[in-house]
Amino acid sequence: DVKVTQSSRYLVKRTGEKVFLECVQDMDHENMFWYRQDPGLGLRLIYFSYDVKMKEKGDIPEGYSVSREKKERFSLILESASTNQTSMYLCASRFLGGELFFGEGSRLTVL
Amino acid sequence: AQKVTQAQTEISVVEKEDVTLDCVYETRDTTYYLFWYKQPPSGELVFLIRRNSFDEQNEISGRYSWNFQKSTSSFNFTITASQVVDSAVYFCALSEAITHFNKFYFGSGTKLNVKP
Repeated sequence: DVKVTQSSRYLVKRTGEKVFLECVQDMDHENMFWYRQDPGLGLRLIYFSYDVKMKEKGDIPEGYSVSREKKERFSLILESASTNQTSMYLCASRFLGGELFFGEGSRLTVL
Repeated sequence: AQKVTQAQTEISVVEKEDVTLDCVYETRDTTYYLFWYKQPPSGELVFLIRRNSFDEQNEISGRYSWNFQKSTSSFNFTITASQVVDSAVYFCALSEAITHFNKFYFGSGTKLNVKP
């Protein structure tokens, strides 16, 4: 079975803390993505990576950064968490032109 | 402009009823891919089907069927004899092969409630 694993299902952080969300895929996919999902706003792309050390901004990159040092791992970083970053974060990966495979999601609450 | 439109925000049916979820898309690419995903209450998005723009054949998989019509830019999803386990949010998505080839455009989702 294909697998995208996100490091934490639920996190609670305080405003100003640095937050790392990690994602690992075991399918040798070139492309990896981070989305956030909010009620009424659907899925919004934060960043994606098309290869190791390569990244591109999505639709809402402000307040986020990413790291892809190895092909299987794509990390989302919130340098200084804010309450408006409380959300469900979804990681996904795919071969170019293929379907997205999603992780289970990480629900982040920033107090 | 919305690339993928799912006009039905929420649908409620009684078990065993058939239900169709609508999806209309917009693209200028001649090569593109369409997808349906299911998001049950647990939260994980589950891939259901992928269709490329050159294949207009309808697809059936058990109780699920998909109707792809390029003439109306629609990719509708029908569940036959719905079951309570079908309750979820369903997303339609578009990926363009040439323009913005790394982007997925998701519709806003249709929440399906299947009542016993």
